[in-house]
Amino acid sequence: GENVEQHPSTLSVQEGDSAVIKCTYSDSASNYFPWYKQELGKRPQLIIDIRSNVGEKKDQRIAVTLNKTAKHFSLHITETQPEDSAVYFCAAKRSSASKIIFGSGTRLSIRP
Amino acid sequence: DAGITQSPRYKITETGRQVTLMCHQTWSHSYMFWYRQDLGHGLRLIYYSAAADITDKGEVPDGYVVSRSKTENFPLTLESATRSQTSVYFCASSDRDPQPQHFGDGTRLSIL
Repeated sequence: GENVEQHPSTLSVQEGDSAVIKCTYSDSASNYFPWYKQELGKRPQLIIDIRSNVGEKKDQRIAVTLNKTAKHFSLHITETQPEDSAVYFCAAKRSSASKIIFGSGTRLSIRP
Repeated sequence: DAGITQSPRYKITETGRQVTLMCHQTWSHSYMFWYRQDLGHGLRLIYYSAAADITDKGEVPDGYVVSRSKTENFPLTLESATRSQTSVYFCASSDRDPQPQHFGDGTRLSIL
């Protein structure tokens, strides 16, 4: 069935360095790829999304890249700050489906 | 987002009891979803609904019942609670494709 694999499951980076989280999806008809950030004890919140008609999208320190051929997309966070510490979830969806498929999450820790 | 509210925020109950978690959204979104989140399991879809009176099973539907008589409400009922249903439950909603899901603040349910 449909599946989204997310790596790594945990990631620790020095403050100011970059962080990269990678996801691979199985459904070639997927055309919408959101990323969610979940702080401890809080709800998941959308931080950026990308549609299949573009290869890259950027919003300040956050960027997402999409490789449709490889069925792979990534989240890049530059100049990491303590408030970036959270669990990040990738997801994939096709237009004809009601539900979204989430990855298993990446716990990102920023070391001072 | 204030547009989707869950109640109660915290609930403690005993095994065998029936408990209903409420979800209400003010956006008139077509789609609504229930997830459970356990440590190490990410977000697992329990049930979802594409419109009023239309519901479908997700990944882990056993032991749960949903209804959607009105677009804005999507209650989740545990008919006979078990300890394995202790979890954090998130409700989410989204508009028609391709739109992101917006999550409520969650209900932390403990079953003793």
